[in-house]
Amino acid sequence: DVKLVESGGGLVKPGGSLKLSCAASGFTFSSYTMSWVRQTPEKRLEWVATISSGGSYTYYPDSVKGRFTISRDNAKNTLYLQMSSLKSEDTAVYYCTRDPTGTGYFDVWGAGTTVTVSS
Amino acid sequence: DIVLTQSPATLSVTPGDSVSLSCRASQSISNNLHWYQQKSHESPRLLIKYASQSISGIPSRFSGSGSGTDFTLSINSVETEDFGMYFCQQSNSWPWTFGGGTKLEIK
Repeated sequence: DVKLVESGGGLVKPGGSLKLSCAASGFTFSSYTMSWVRQTPEKRLEWVATISSGGSYTYYPDSVKGRFTISRDNAKNTLYLQMSSLKSEDTAVYYCTRDPTGTGYFDVWGAGTTVTVSS
Repeated sequence: DIVLTQSPATLSVTPGDSVSLSCRASQSISNNLHWYQQKSHESPRLLIKYASQSISGIPSRFSGSGSGTDFTLSINSVETEDFGMYFCQQSNSWPWTFGGGTKLEIK
């Protein structure tokens, strides 16, 4: 069974940091581009970050560039998202996703982990 | 950034009806448009890739069409399990963006 399981969400104060993890199983993790997508409380979906299969290439929208860092450990089948300088607008459910061809669509989604940025 | 506008925001239908959901892009995105379904308290699920390509395991009543700026997701004979939110997403140019969604609800 192909599965993605996120963890690490929680309540953090504005300006704080948090690191999310995503454990992958049921497929050859090291062969796939992976991404994080978030869903705001208003139910809007936003792409957050993408990393190539080998980890050499990363991509971010301007809204998180310089504050978020996506990384991966292919030996541990795990994807990460390091978030810093968090803002209230970063409050969302964060989904780990798989991009099957590296061309920007998402065929597998985790259940999500909730990040709340509030004082 | 490419803006995707979905319409209508809400669609109220009776099971058995056939429906069309629209997604319009602010500039041409060729066929780099994908559709997702999200049921209440679940994660999104990929329904259609590249505007019209089917996905394994997705019922054949779901189909997609369009290219350039105008796209349509069609559901032939809606079933009760189809009610929920539908989102389009473009992968033509960074940053990848999503539409605001269409809520399909029971009339």
